[in-house]
Amino acid sequence: DTAVSQTPKYLVTQMGNDKSIKCEQNLGHDTMYWYKQDSKKFLKIMFSYNNKELIINETVPNRFSPKSPDKAHLNLHINSLELGDSAVYFCASSRVQTRNTGELFFGEGSRLTVL
Amino acid sequence: QKEVEQDPGPLSVPEGAIVSLNCTYSNSAFQYFMWYRQYSRKGPELLMYTYSSGNKEDGRFTAQVDKSSKYISLFIRDSQPSDSATYLCAMYQAGTALIFGKGTTLSVSS
Repeated sequence: DTAVSQTPKYLVTQMGNDKSIKCEQNLGHDTMYWYKQDSKKFLKIMFSYNNKELIINETVPNRFSPKSPDKAHLNLHINSLELGDSAVYFCASSRVQTRNTGELFFGEGSRLTVL
Repeated sequence: QKEVEQDPGPLSVPEGAIVSLNCTYSNSAFQYFMWYRQYSRKGPELLMYTYSSGNKEDGRFTAQVDKSSKYISLFIRDSQPSDSATYLCAMYQAGTALIFGKGTTLSVSS
């Protein structure tokens, strides 16, 4: 059973389109995250939700809108895609908000390519 | 200056070598330090975790934290081809998100 699953794994789209990435975790964790990893492997926090409540919202363009329908799901919707949005987007979850071991469980990533 | 600096490599070593991976950081409030390993086309996974200064050993892996120098290291002994991956240091203070280094890509040849 996959602990943190993301769909789709690959996404190729044109500039200006709107797209969504879905994430689900079956670990019973109460905190979920979206990270962006650029072509140089730099992994940067975008958002964090705890029990469906937004707790971290880094400096991210408002074209990016996360939604958490319940604590097992965290989706990411991106409007008006730009070339610079091309990256791998990772969903992650943890038991509490980066306390204790700071162990995040990551999905396999969703590779977005904007043409 | 970025909060966490890590040499991206790549680093190539023969099987059996001792590998040293390092990160420096600027925020003295960081309390928790960890190393994640990321295989190609996969998500990162936690490898080692340490709290405050000191050493921690787990099999062939040793993590070191020197808070006075704001420097952390990961040593891999008897490196194996299966250790070929990108290693990301990460750290945080209570109540904040994990901050990652850029990752060092390691290749171990047999």
